[in-house]
Amino acid sequence: NAGVTQTPKFQVLKTGQSMTLQCAQDMNHNSMYWYRQDPGMGLRLIYYSASEGTTDKGEVPNGYNVSRLNKREFSLRLESAAPSQTSVYFCASSYRGDRGLHSNQPQHFGDGTRLSIL
Amino acid sequence: RKEVEQDPGPFNVPEGATVAFNCTYSNSASQSFFWYRQDCRKEPKLLMSVYSSGNEDGRFTAQLNRASQYISLLIRDSKLSDSATYLCVVFMEYGNKLVFGAGTILRVKS
Repeated sequence: NAGVTQTPKFQVLKTGQSMTLQCAQDMNHNSMYWYRQDPGMGLRLIYYSASEGTTDKGEVPNGYNVSRLNKREFSLRLESAAPSQTSVYFCASSYRGDRGLHSNQPQHFGDGTRLSIL
Repeated sequence: RKEVEQDPGPFNVPEGATVAFNCTYSNSASQSFFWYRQDCRKEPKLLMSVYSSGNEDGRFTAQLNRASQYISLLIRDSKLSDSATYLCVVFMEYGNKLVFGAGTILRVKS
């Protein structure tokens, strides 16, 4: 009963390094999301994927890229990490709702990746 | 004005107390609402969905006031284990997106 699994749980990078955050879900959900959460702010959507083969920008996509590898997996890549990208990153998934591309169904979250960029 | 606004708190209440949080939203066409609970350094977890005028689940009651564009969460008989941050989430028809509030901190003390 894994739900949404994220790796790694913690990571420290130097400015300019690259890395990929991995996310997998086993709930047969169509839609997957990447968020970042910073102190005093709500979760902000980076990218989402309404279904396998499609990805779309969210509120704060700059500096990130994503890949929807298959229905289960959705990865987030930082090509050249910057200190402003220090944050907690959450992956989430949901059933596709009845309101177009972005789901109005509740989302289920992974336990997060704490990323620090020095 | 933020699309979803919550009083950040913290709300400090004794065990057994009743506490209520409000959440206001800007898009009057919004149809779907959720309350999530987030423990310190953990992921958000769905507490309840609110699709019509309200919802009740044990000690937790969510109410929706469309005219005033707010939803509330009422917690009765507070437990120590209720201490957490409560996130209000609204599906915005305009923009077709889920928007998360910054959360309200609840601390229940013995």
